[in-house]
Amino acid sequence: EIVLTQSPATLSLSPGERATLSCRASQSVSSYLAWYQQKPGQAPRLLIYDASNRATGIPARFSGSGSGTDFTLTISSLEAEDFAVYYCQQRSNWPPITFGQGTRLEIK
Amino acid sequence: EMQLVESGGGLVQPGGSLRLSCAASGFTFSNYWMSWVRQAPGKGLEWVATIKQDGSEKYYVDSVKGRFSISRDNSKNSLYLQMNSLGAEDTAVYYCARDRTALNAFDIWGQGTMVTVSS
Repeated sequence: EIVLTQSPATLSLSPGERATLSCRASQSVSSYLAWYQQKPGQAPRLLIYDASNRATGIPARFSGSGSGTDFTLTISSLEAEDFAVYYCQQRSNWPPITFGQGTRLEIK
Repeated sequence: EMQLVESGGGLVQPGGSLRLSCAASGFTFSNYWMSWVRQAPGKGLEWVATIKQDGSEKYYVDSVKGRFSISRDNSKNSLYLQMNSLGAEDTAVYYCARDRTALNAFDIWGQGTMVTVSS
C-alpha cells in the first residue's frame, strides 16, 4: 500500500499570502496524484488531477506540481474561501486508492 | 446539473447491516466507474470500494472485504453499498463519488450519508 504523508498538518496564513502544501508518497506514483479541498460539513471538491491539471471551474490561483514521490499544491494568493482542509490522493498501482491525512489551512 | 444523492444511512447496532444507495443524475451513469469513500468523525478520507461501468470488476479496501458489497443498477442510475457485520470502526459519513479513471481522481461527490454503529 502506498502511504501519502502531507505536511504541514496545519498551516496558518493570512489572506493574500502564498500557500505551499506538500504531499510525499512512500513510493513513486508517477503523476497519478490528485488534490481535494474540503470545507466543514461539505463533500470534498476536486482541485487538481494528474499532479498538475486543474479540474473544471477551479481558479487559476490553484496549481499543482511534482512527480514520482514529491508533490506540491500552491495557492498563489489566498482568498477567504480558501481556508479549508486539503487532501492528496493517489491512484498508482491500485487497489488500494489512498489519501493523505490532510493539511488544515487556517486563517492567521 | 450533475448530481449524486446518497441515502440509507442511520443508526445500526454492532453486527448489523445497512444498505446505502446513491442516485445519479445529469450525466450518463453507465459510462463511469463509481466509488464509495468514507470519513470517520473528525478524520480523513478513506477509499472503500470501486465498481466498473458494467459491474464486472469490483475492488475493496482490505478492512471491508468480505463484509461490504458494492453494486449498481444502470437502468436506475443507482449505486449501492451493502454493509454487513458492521462495527464501531465503520462509523463514518459515506460519500458516493464518480470515479474518473482517465483523470485518476473522483470528480463528482455526493453530500454524504452518516452511518453510526452503536448499541
